[in-house]
Amino acid sequence: DVVMTQSPLSLPVTLGQPASISCRSSQSLVNSDGNTYLNWFHQRPGQSPRRLIYKVSYRDSWVPDRFSGSGSGTDFTLNISRVEAEDVGVYYCMQGSHWPPVTFGGGTKVEIK
Amino acid sequence: EVQLVESGGGLVQPGGSLRLSCAASGFAFSTWWMSWVRQAPGKGLEWVANIKQDGSETYYLDSVKGRFTISRDDARNSLYLQMNSLRDEDTAVYYCATRRAFDFWGQGTMVTVSS
Repeated sequence: DVVMTQSPLSLPVTLGQPASISCRSSQSLVNSDGNTYLNWFHQRPGQSPRRLIYKVSYRDSWVPDRFSGSGSGTDFTLNISRVEAEDVGVYYCMQGSHWPPVTFGGGTKVEIK
Repeated sequence: EVQLVESGGGLVQPGGSLRLSCAASGFAFSTWWMSWVRQAPGKGLEWVANIKQDGSETYYLDSVKGRFTISRDDARNSLYLQMNSLRDEDTAVYYCATRRAFDFWGQGTMVTVSS
């Protein structure tokens, strides 16, 4: 199984400042079809998860452009250019390149300083 | 607007059974893969199972194989998860989600396995 490792576990951020979350996989996430199925999700307290980014860097239509995804192979990053109060919660990366099973990272909790 | 509404959760004793349902609307249900993902209290996300559009292929997390069965009824736009031989470690909120990339999620239904 592909192990997904996120860092940091907790990320205190200042409103208006940038934030960055790292996600590393135990093997390359390049699929046999050439695509890299690495997604990012955000879960606010008491809510369901919501997808932000798919295939490394494609932003979902409901996602503000301050969110961006990058990376390749085994190293991936979610960036928030300017953190807003609504961005608090837990962020998860997920790989769908080598499944079953689909696997998630352990999560990064973002909170406001 | 895509909507997913789960139901069927509750308190069950170890070894018991539950059947979860997910009512879907706002998209062409019969043409999409569907998935179940769970989240134990205070823990992260864990994929449980998914099913192909026509139900011809199903895949499971190893720890639920032989105990859980995912199915769908395209005429009713509904997804199901039959859970048998439940264990304490199956306690979680169970979400249905669309496709294998989980672009949309329901609100979840809580399953508690306890004596």
